[in-house]
Amino acid sequence: DGGITQSPKYLFRKEGQNVTLSCEQNLNHDAMYWYRQDPGQGLRLIYYSQIVNDFQKGDIAEGYSVSREKKESFPLTVTSAQKNPTAFYLCASTQGRRFGNTIYFGEGSWLTVV
Amino acid sequence: GESVGLHLPTLSVQEGDNSIINCAYSNSASDYFIWYKQESGKGPQFIIDIRSNMDKRQGQRVTVLLNKTVKHLSLQIAATQPGDSAVYFCAELGNKLTFGTGTQLKVEL
Repeated sequence: DGGITQSPKYLFRKEGQNVTLSCEQNLNHDAMYWYRQDPGQGLRLIYYSQIVNDFQKGDIAEGYSVSREKKESFPLTVTSAQKNPTAFYLCASTQGRRFGNTIYFGEGSWLTVV
Repeated sequence: GESVGLHLPTLSVQEGDNSIINCAYSNSASDYFIWYKQESGKGPQFIIDIRSNMDKRQGQRVTVLLNKTVKHLSLQIAATQPGDSAVYFCAELGNKLTFGTGTQLKVEL
């Protein structure tokens, strides 16, 4: 079945470490997105990519990095520069503005700093 | 530096009543809007969408209204049920997918 997969579901990071969250989709979607969600708050855009080998900063890109070397993959690295990384991270992909449920979300990754 | 997010506003309704959740958007060029429902610890679930050339669209127990003049979107849920308790977000898909602040809907028995 086609879908979008995030891993790991739960991740613990020590102070000063970089960690990478995986996002893979087999939907042949061009656009992919990463969001951060803090408890009781909304979804904030970190980075997005409209096409392979290209990506743009979202609203809260500081302390994060991404790559888009393959169409199906959009990994997010939370660097040591991100001082408050504990949050729920969501990846999404879409092929454009068509009616219906055309935007797919992963199940999310919980990142905790220990 | 990183901005601090706003805590979600809460809407409390009695079971069986109608709920109206509002959303304002900022980009007048946005032409496609979506409402999502999110339960704790899960990804958003699609509810209904609407294009900018429409004012209203109806689904099962839900209606979305779009007022482009004031850049306002609303989601109406008829006969609200306990299972409707969740956070509701509007989103606009232009050159990027952007979410509104969200509203926590609490259904009281």
